[in-house]
Amino acid sequence: QITLKESGPTLVKPTQTLTLTCNFSGFSLSTLGMGVAWIRQPPGEALEWLALIFWDDDKHYTPSLKSRLTITKDTTKNQVVLVVTNVDPVDTATYFCAHIATMPTSSNYYYAMDVWGQGTTVTVSS
Amino acid sequence: EVVMTQSPATLSVSPGDRATLSCRASQSVNSNVAWYQQRPGQAPRLLTYGASTRATGIPARFSGSGFGTEFSLTISSLQSEDFGVYYCQHYKNWPPQYTFGQGTKLEIK
Repeated sequence: QITLKESGPTLVKPTQTLTLTCNFSGFSLSTLGMGVAWIRQPPGEALEWLALIFWDDDKHYTPSLKSRLTITKDTTKNQVVLVVTNVDPVDTATYFCAHIATMPTSSNYYYAMDVWGQGTTVTVSS
Repeated sequence: EVVMTQSPATLSVSPGDRATLSCRASQSVNSNVAWYQQRPGQAPRLLTYGASTRATGIPARFSGSGFGTEFSLTISSLQSEDFGVYYCQHYKNWPPQYTFGQGTKLEIK
Protein backbone atom coordinates (compact mmCIF):
# COMPACT_ATOMS: atom_id res chain seq x y z
CA GLN A 1 0.00 0.00 0.00
CA ILE A 2 1.39 3.37 -1.04
CA THR A 3 1.12 6.26 1.43
CA LEU A 4 2.53 9.76 1.41
CA LYS A 5 2.63 12.42 4.10
CA GLU A 6 3.66 16.04 3.81
CA SER A 7 5.28 18.08 6.54
CA GLY A 8 6.63 21.57 6.94
CA PRO A 9 6.09 24.87 8.72
CA THR A 10 2.57 26.19 9.06
CA LEU A 11 3.64 29.84 9.06
CA VAL A 12 6.37 31.48 7.03
CA LYS A 13 7.29 35.16 6.71
CA PRO A 14 7.45 36.89 3.32
CA THR A 15 10.85 36.64 1.57
CA GLN A 16 11.78 33.55 3.61
CA THR A 17 12.46 30.10 2.21
CA LEU A 18 9.88 27.35 2.60
CA THR A 19 11.04 23.74 2.87
CA LEU A 20 8.46 20.97 2.54
CA THR A 21 9.09 17.27 3.01
CA CYS A 22 7.14 14.34 1.58
CA ASN A 23 7.70 11.08 3.40
CA PHE A 24 6.40 8.05 1.57
CA SER A 25 6.14 4.29 1.87
CA GLY A 26 5.03 1.40 -0.30
CA PHE A 27 7.32 2.14 -3.23
CA SER A 28 10.92 2.98 -4.01
CA LEU A 29 11.84 6.11 -5.91
CA SER A 30 14.76 4.21 -7.42
CA THR A 31 12.37 1.88 -9.27
CA LEU A 32 11.88 2.39 -12.99
CA GLY A 33 8.79 4.45 -13.79
CA MET A 34 8.22 5.89 -10.33
CA GLY A 35 7.86 9.59 -9.60
CA VAL A 36 6.62 12.08 -7.03
CA ALA A 37 4.92 15.39 -7.75
CA TRP A 38 4.13 18.47 -5.66
CA ILE A 39 0.82 20.26 -6.16
CA ARG A 40 -0.65 23.20 -4.24
CA GLN A 41 -4.11 24.62 -3.71
CA PRO A 42 -4.70 28.17 -2.41
CA PRO A 43 -7.77 28.48 -0.17
CA GLY A 44 -10.93 28.08 -2.25
CA GLU A 45 -8.98 27.84 -5.49
CA ALA A 46 -7.94 25.23 -8.03
CA LEU A 47 -5.05 22.79 -8.00
CA GLU A 48 -1.69 23.92 -9.37
CA TRP A 49 1.10 21.52 -10.28
CA LEU A 50 4.51 22.72 -9.05
CA ALA A 51 7.23 20.13 -9.64
CA LEU A 52 8.00 16.48 -10.20
CA ILE A 53 10.94 14.15 -9.87
CA PHE A 54 11.36 10.74 -11.49
CA TRP A 55 13.24 7.62 -10.43
CA ASP A 56 16.21 8.60 -12.60
CA ASP A 57 16.45 12.06 -10.92
CA ASP A 58 14.86 13.77 -13.92
CA LYS A 59 13.24 16.95 -12.57
CA HIS A 60 10.65 19.31 -14.03
CA TYR A 61 8.98 22.49 -12.81
CA THR A 62 5.99 24.61 -13.67
CA PRO A 63 7.39 27.40 -15.88
CA SER A 64 5.93 30.32 -13.91
CA LEU A 65 7.67 29.28 -10.67
CA LYS A 66 10.73 27.49 -11.99
CA SER A 67 13.23 30.05 -10.68
CA ARG A 68 11.94 29.67 -7.11
CA LEU A 69 11.53 25.89 -6.85
CA THR A 70 13.95 23.06 -6.18
CA ILE A 71 12.91 19.42 -5.86
CA THR A 72 15.21 16.70 -4.58
CA LYS A 73 14.92 13.10 -3.47
CA ASP A 74 16.58 10.91 -0.88
CA THR A 75 15.90 7.31 -1.81
CA THR A 76 17.49 5.97 1.38
CA LYS A 77 15.04 7.95 3.51
CA ASN A 78 12.05 7.60 1.14
CA GLN A 79 11.73 11.37 1.05
CA VAL A 80 11.15 14.09 -1.52
CA VAL A 81 11.84 17.68 -0.56
CA LEU A 82 10.50 20.83 -2.22
CA VAL A 83 12.16 24.17 -1.53
CA VAL A 84 10.34 27.39 -2.37
CA THR A 85 12.42 30.55 -2.12
CA ASN A 86 11.35 34.14 -1.55
CA VAL A 87 7.79 33.31 -0.52
CA ASP A 88 4.95 35.79 -0.77
CA PRO A 89 1.41 35.82 0.70
CA VAL A 90 0.16 34.45 -2.64
CA ASP A 91 2.06 31.24 -1.82
CA THR A 92 -0.40 30.60 1.00
CA ALA A 93 -1.89 27.22 0.18
CA THR A 94 -2.28 23.58 1.03
CA TYR A 95 0.65 21.70 -0.44
CA PHE A 96 0.19 18.10 -1.56
CA CYS A 97 2.65 15.48 -2.71
CA ALA A 98 1.49 12.64 -4.93
CA HIS A 99 2.86 9.37 -6.28
CA ILE A 100 3.19 9.29 -10.05
CA ALA A 101 2.46 5.96 -11.66
CA THR A 102 3.09 4.98 -15.25
CA MET A 103 -0.33 3.92 -16.50
CA PRO A 104 -0.52 2.20 -19.89
CA THR A 105 -3.31 3.40 -22.13
CA SER A 106 -4.61 2.13 -25.47
CA SER A 107 -2.11 4.27 -27.34
CA ASN A 108 0.58 5.40 -24.91
CA TYR A 109 1.33 5.93 -21.24
CA TYR A 110 -0.16 8.38 -18.76
CA TYR A 111 1.84 9.49 -15.76
CA ALA A 112 -1.06 9.74 -13.34
CA MET A 113 -1.09 11.05 -9.78
CA ASP A 114 -2.66 7.92 -8.35
CA VAL A 115 -2.06 8.34 -4.61
CA TRP A 116 -1.98 11.66 -2.75
CA GLY A 117 -0.90 12.75 0.68
CA GLN A 118 -3.32 14.52 3.00
CA GLY A 119 -1.68 17.88 2.40
CA THR A 120 -0.02 20.42 4.65
CA THR A 121 -1.27 23.98 5.02
CA VAL A 122 1.20 26.84 4.78
CA THR A 123 0.40 30.47 5.51
CA VAL A 124 2.74 33.24 4.38
CA SER A 125 2.30 36.29 6.54
CA SER A 126 4.37 38.76 8.48
CA GLU B 1 1.07 26.29 -22.64
CA VAL B 2 -2.16 24.31 -22.78
CA VAL B 3 -5.14 25.81 -20.93
CA MET B 4 -7.85 23.47 -19.66
CA THR B 5 -11.29 25.09 -19.33
CA GLN B 6 -14.02 23.30 -17.41
CA SER B 7 -17.75 23.87 -17.60
CA PRO B 8 -20.02 24.50 -15.93
CA ALA B 9 -18.45 26.06 -12.86
CA THR B 10 -21.22 24.61 -10.72
CA LEU B 11 -23.58 21.76 -11.51
CA SER B 12 -26.63 21.00 -9.38
CA VAL B 13 -27.90 17.44 -9.73
CA SER B 14 -30.31 15.24 -7.80
CA PRO B 15 -29.16 11.87 -6.40
CA GLY B 16 -29.84 9.13 -8.91
CA ASP B 17 -29.59 11.48 -11.90
CA ARG B 18 -26.85 11.62 -14.53
CA ALA B 19 -24.19 14.31 -14.47
CA THR B 20 -21.92 15.32 -17.34
CA LEU B 21 -18.90 17.52 -16.74
CA SER B 22 -16.96 19.08 -19.61
CA CYS B 23 -13.34 20.03 -20.15
CA ARG B 24 -11.92 21.80 -23.19
CA ALA B 25 -8.22 22.03 -24.07
CA SER B 26 -6.85 25.14 -25.80
CA GLN B 27 -5.07 22.89 -28.31
CA SER B 28 -5.14 19.21 -29.16
CA VAL B 29 -3.84 17.01 -26.35
CA ASN B 30 -4.76 13.65 -27.92
CA SER B 31 -6.00 11.51 -25.01
CA ASN B 32 -3.62 12.87 -22.33
CA VAL B 33 -6.36 13.84 -19.89
CA ALA B 34 -7.21 12.62 -16.40
CA TRP B 35 -10.07 13.43 -14.04
CA TYR B 36 -9.84 13.83 -10.26
CA GLN B 37 -12.51 14.12 -7.56
CA GLN B 38 -11.95 16.24 -4.46
CA ARG B 39 -14.35 16.01 -1.56
CA PRO B 40 -14.36 18.88 0.98
CA GLY B 41 -11.31 18.80 3.21
CA GLN B 42 -9.79 15.85 1.38
CA ALA B 43 -7.01 15.26 -1.11
CA PRO B 44 -7.93 14.69 -4.76
CA ARG B 45 -8.62 11.16 -5.95
CA LEU B 46 -7.75 9.85 -9.40
CA LEU B 47 -10.86 8.75 -11.33
CA THR B 48 -9.78 8.26 -14.95
CA TYR B 49 -6.67 8.69 -17.09
CA GLY B 50 -5.85 8.45 -20.78
CA ALA B 51 -9.23 10.15 -21.27
CA SER B 52 -11.30 7.01 -20.68
CA THR B 53 -9.53 4.42 -18.52
CA ARG B 54 -10.93 4.09 -15.01
CA ALA B 55 -8.41 3.98 -12.20
CA THR B 56 -8.25 1.02 -9.84
CA GLY B 57 -11.25 0.80 -7.53
CA ILE B 58 -13.32 3.47 -9.28
CA PRO B 59 -16.99 2.47 -9.72
CA ALA B 60 -18.30 1.79 -13.21
CA ARG B 61 -20.75 4.70 -12.93
CA PHE B 62 -17.79 7.00 -13.66
CA SER B 63 -16.85 7.17 -17.34
CA GLY B 64 -14.49 9.46 -19.18
CA SER B 65 -14.51 10.18 -22.89
CA GLY B 66 -13.07 12.50 -25.50
CA PHE B 67 -10.06 13.12 -27.70
CA GLY B 68 -8.21 16.12 -29.02
CA THR B 69 -9.74 19.19 -27.38
CA GLU B 70 -13.10 18.06 -25.98
CA PHE B 71 -13.42 15.79 -22.96
CA SER B 72 -16.17 14.81 -20.57
CA LEU B 73 -16.73 12.90 -17.36
CA THR B 74 -20.12 11.27 -16.91
CA ILE B 75 -21.49 9.95 -13.66
CA SER B 76 -24.40 7.73 -14.59
CA SER B 77 -26.37 7.68 -11.33
CA LEU B 78 -25.23 10.11 -8.69
CA GLN B 79 -24.64 8.86 -5.20
CA SER B 80 -24.39 11.08 -2.14
CA GLU B 81 -20.64 10.48 -1.90
CA ASP B 82 -20.09 11.79 -5.46
CA PHE B 83 -20.62 15.43 -4.58
CA GLY B 84 -17.52 17.60 -4.50
CA VAL B 85 -15.21 19.35 -6.94
CA TYR B 86 -13.97 17.65 -10.10
CA TYR B 87 -10.78 18.62 -11.93
CA CYS B 88 -9.57 17.66 -15.37
CA GLN B 89 -5.81 17.47 -15.88
CA HIS B 90 -3.58 17.44 -18.95
CA TYR B 91 -0.22 15.69 -18.96
CA LYS B 92 2.29 16.91 -21.51
CA ASN B 93 4.79 14.24 -22.45
CA TRP B 94 7.75 16.50 -23.15
CA PRO B 95 8.89 18.36 -21.28
CA PRO B 96 6.77 16.69 -18.61
CA GLN B 97 4.21 19.16 -17.35
CA TYR B 98 0.74 19.04 -15.81
CA THR B 99 -2.09 21.53 -16.19
CA PHE B 100 -5.33 21.43 -14.18
CA GLY B 101 -8.65 22.93 -15.09
CA GLN B 102 -10.29 25.35 -12.70
CA GLY B 103 -12.74 22.73 -11.43
CA THR B 104 -16.48 22.00 -11.54
CA LYS B 105 -18.36 21.93 -8.26
CA LEU B 106 -20.97 19.16 -8.26
CA GLU B 107 -23.61 19.91 -5.66
CA ILE B 108 -26.83 18.37 -4.44
CA LYS B 109 -29.98 19.80 -6.03
